[in-house]
Amino acid sequence: QQQVKQSPQSLIVQKGGISIINCAYENTAFDYFPWYQQFPGKGPALLIAIRPDVSEKKEGRFTISFNKSAKQFSLHIMDSQPGDSATYFCAASPSYKLIFGSGTRLLVRP
Amino acid sequence: DTGVSQDPRHKITKRGQNVTFRCDPISEHNRLYWYRQTLGQGPEFLTYFQNEAQLEKSRLLSDRFSAERPKGSFSTLEIQRTEQGDSAMYLCASGSLNTEAFFGQGTRLTVV
Repeated sequence: QQQVKQSPQSLIVQKGGISIINCAYENTAFDYFPWYQQFPGKGPALLIAIRPDVSEKKEGRFTISFNKSAKQFSLHIMDSQPGDSATYFCAASPSYKLIFGSGTRLLVRP
Repeated sequence: DTGVSQDPRHKITKRGQNVTFRCDPISEHNRLYWYRQTLGQGPEFLTYFQNEAQLEKSRLLSDRFSAERPKGSFSTLEIQRTEQGDSAMYLCASGSLNTEAFFGQGTRLTVV
């Protein structure tokens, strides 16, 4: 019940394309769903986050889509750039701590 | 204040030795977290402090691990009698009620 399942494990996208990463959860007590971006040797950095009272949130090229009934949420990166190449983690939180997915390694080819 | 600071960035130790890591959170944050991240995995929650009180410890935190946050400022994570399975990135994060968690750059521990 505490797990967050993330897919795919890795993703290769051409520059300018759309990157889509999916996550699913079981625990209905989760009420905060952030996405983190991590570069090698660095700590995770918050990219965008959503609460379950909205179905979509957009910030620049990054969009979270949230489906409360299906207990799924996804990250869409529009116009993907080589600088977006990193590992992306979804997470969910019931209160203060974060439960992370296993990560998606994104490679954007020039 | 430029963010969450962790020291050291890298630590290589022999099996059986004790190690201690330090985390300096963002100054106005009263919440402090420790996570562990192994290669190819997402961070796993270890423990949570609100001010100086340790409010939750994960079952991952065996009795060889101890964390403190004296005076509600910096925090230390000590691992006694290190084992090879302790090799990981140890991440500290800080936040408050109305802000998200900001992570430090982590301490990479290698036990040989």
